[in-house]
Amino acid sequence: AQSVTQLDSQVPVFEEAPVELRCNYSSSVSVYLFWYVQYPNQGLQLLLKYLSGSTLVESINGFEAEFNKSQTSFHLRKPSVHISDTAEYFCAVSNQGAQKLVFGQGTRLTINP
Amino acid sequence: EAGVVQSPRYKIIEKKQPVAFWCNPISGHNTLYWYRQNLGQGPELLIRYENEEAVDDSQLPKDRFSAERLKGVDSTLKIQPAELGDSAVYLCASSLGLGVGSEQYFGPGTRLTVT
Repeated sequence: AQSVTQLDSQVPVFEEAPVELRCNYSSSVSVYLFWYVQYPNQGLQLLLKYLSGSTLVESINGFEAEFNKSQTSFHLRKPSVHISDTAEYFCAVSNQGAQKLVFGQGTRLTINP
Repeated sequence: EAGVVQSPRYKIIEKKQPVAFWCNPISGHNTLYWYRQNLGQGPELLIRYENEEAVDDSQLPKDRFSAERLKGVDSTLKIQPAELGDSAVYLCASSLGLGVGSEQYFGPGTRLTVT
């Protein structure tokens, strides 16, 4: 079975500062990895995903995440955050060959002006 | 294109009462999921449908929860009777189901409060 640990429940940062949201997973088999974002009063949206190939994946709004197999991590980063990035971010893992997502507890990103 | 639609958005009931949630997935999406999200936690899968067939209901508490997806389109999740611990947000998601990694699209959820 898979599990996901998001090490920080809340991350406050100032606008235009860099941010890293940490995600570690546990699995005995190969996995796919995802980051979902939930803006206030909205449903979850896929931010980016790693299925195969390059271990660095990017989103259209400047986020990136790097799959590190040896450290079983998939940390999310952005070099300069904006007020509009305020949201809750969920890391998720799926067993290759399955369509079941296992989510972490979420990290609430708060951007201060 | 309309996203995943859920209703109601909010529901407050007393314990031991029944409650039902409705979900209409994105048109053409064969796979439908129901998740429960407790406060401060990530979503947890309750049941997954491929068309009208429930292919993974291992996490569904079958003594009080039931779900159906007649005709392989919209779906209803029911709780009877509700308990205090059922207070949570119930999320519906759908995907094309074209294979692993197929993106899941989530609805806004139904926030259930059991008093």
